[in-house]
Amino acid sequence: NAGVTQTPKFQVLKTGQSMTLQCAQDMNHEYMSWYRQDPGMGLRLIHYSVGAGITDQGEVPNGYNVSRSTTEDFPLRLLSAAPSQTSVYFCASSYSIGGPQYFGPGTRLTVL
Amino acid sequence: AQTVTQSQPEMSVQEAETVTLSCTYDTSESNYYLFWYKQPPSRQMILVIRQEAYKQQNATENRFSVNFQKAAKSFSLKISDSQLGDTAMYFCAFMKHNMYSGGGADGLTFGKGTHLIIQP
Repeated sequence: NAGVTQTPKFQVLKTGQSMTLQCAQDMNHEYMSWYRQDPGMGLRLIHYSVGAGITDQGEVPNGYNVSRSTTEDFPLRLLSAAPSQTSVYFCASSYSIGGPQYFGPGTRLTVL
Repeated sequence: AQTVTQSQPEMSVQEAETVTLSCTYDTSESNYYLFWYKQPPSRQMILVIRQEAYKQQNATENRFSVNFQKAAKSFSLKISDSQLGDTAMYFCAFMKHNMYSGGGADGLTFGKGTHLIIQP
């Protein structure tokens, strides 16, 4: 199993550009989520999904969209990038709510 | 909303010593889960230990164990026989599990982390 994979590993954007961060898992996990990690802030939940076709907002959803058309994939879209979105982004999955969460390697995003 | 507090921004101990990392949380939920995650310089988030709140027995994983005090809302991590490879950021995290509303858990709420340094 590859576990949770994220692409790209690094990305630099200009203010106003859009992009999609990819997340995939091959463990047939129903629960997937996106977090951002800022210095001194710990990780904060952006969006999550409890299964294909079902998504919901977390603590910091503004400026981000998600969809879940398959069990395996959970992409995160930045609609119009802003410098405040400079962060490290982590995708995670688990077989159930409350189960061990497996994290991807992260994407370091810089918005100029 | 839940909050998780880690009161030790940084700790340093000698190799082979035992160290305890503190974590307290605030919630009105009665059913929830608690986790400790390790983040080495590679930035990969690695699950260290998980505790289910309805279980009174403290979870253990090899050299890692927790002291879960539900009434005090405390969840400390003890690392025995510390090793150089234990040097990392350690995050305490909380996840609620409302069993009466479709299981909506709202994800993990993290503390700000403790930077643990193991000295040779």
